[in-house]
Amino acid sequence: GAGVSQTPSNKVTEKGKYVELRCDPISGHTALYWYRQSLGQGPEFLIYFQGTGAADDSGLPNDRFFAVRPEGSVSTLKIQRTERGDSAVYLCASSLAGSYEQYFGPGTRLTVT
Amino acid sequence: GESVGLHLPTLSVQEGDNSIINCAYSNSASDYFIWYKQESGKGPQFIIDIRSNMDKRQGQRVTVLLNKTVKHLSLQIAATQPGDSAVYFCAENRGAAGNKLTFGGGTRVLVKP
Repeated sequence: GAGVSQTPSNKVTEKGKYVELRCDPISGHTALYWYRQSLGQGPEFLIYFQGTGAADDSGLPNDRFFAVRPEGSVSTLKIQRTERGDSAVYLCASSLAGSYEQYFGPGTRLTVT
Repeated sequence: GESVGLHLPTLSVQEGDNSIINCAYSNSASDYFIWYKQESGKGPQFIIDIRSNMDKRQGQRVTVLLNKTVKHLSLQIAATQPGDSAVYFCAENRGAAGNKLTFGGGTRVLVKP
């Protein structure tokens, strides 16, 4: 079956602009996670959804970052007033309810110039 | 703060030899650990997991060992192949609601022909 998909695969934007990153989880996976990965480092947790609600957003770095999952499937990570320090690979993962096993997408590489 | 870390940033291994990747963790409340493999330009790929009530688990060519006394985790890859060249991350779940994972910094494995 299809895995987690993310679009776009690459995004280049200018400092100060707004961006949206999309994640399509594995069908039937109720849990969805966003992570951010800087070069040479492990992924860092941003936010976790169980269904439509954000169960844990403790990893969002500031109020410029926001994520939604209105129908409990596709999720969008939104970044306002982008800064050069936001440049990273944004990874999405999904899992079955109650499972620790998370399946990751290929990521979106965001470059802020 | 508490984190998951790795002892060796880069491991070079001859094709056919066994590889051992080590990881130290500091949170004794962690109850679940995962090893992920990440190839260039791709998202992390699940390899094997282990719960804190176990000390060993085997998969296909891989074995994970958990030593809770010294808070140490290792991944053993038998008969390493060129396709095993990648960055390997250990990650822990600390038992809090939401199943978010805390990743270490990664070890790069280079398989020499």
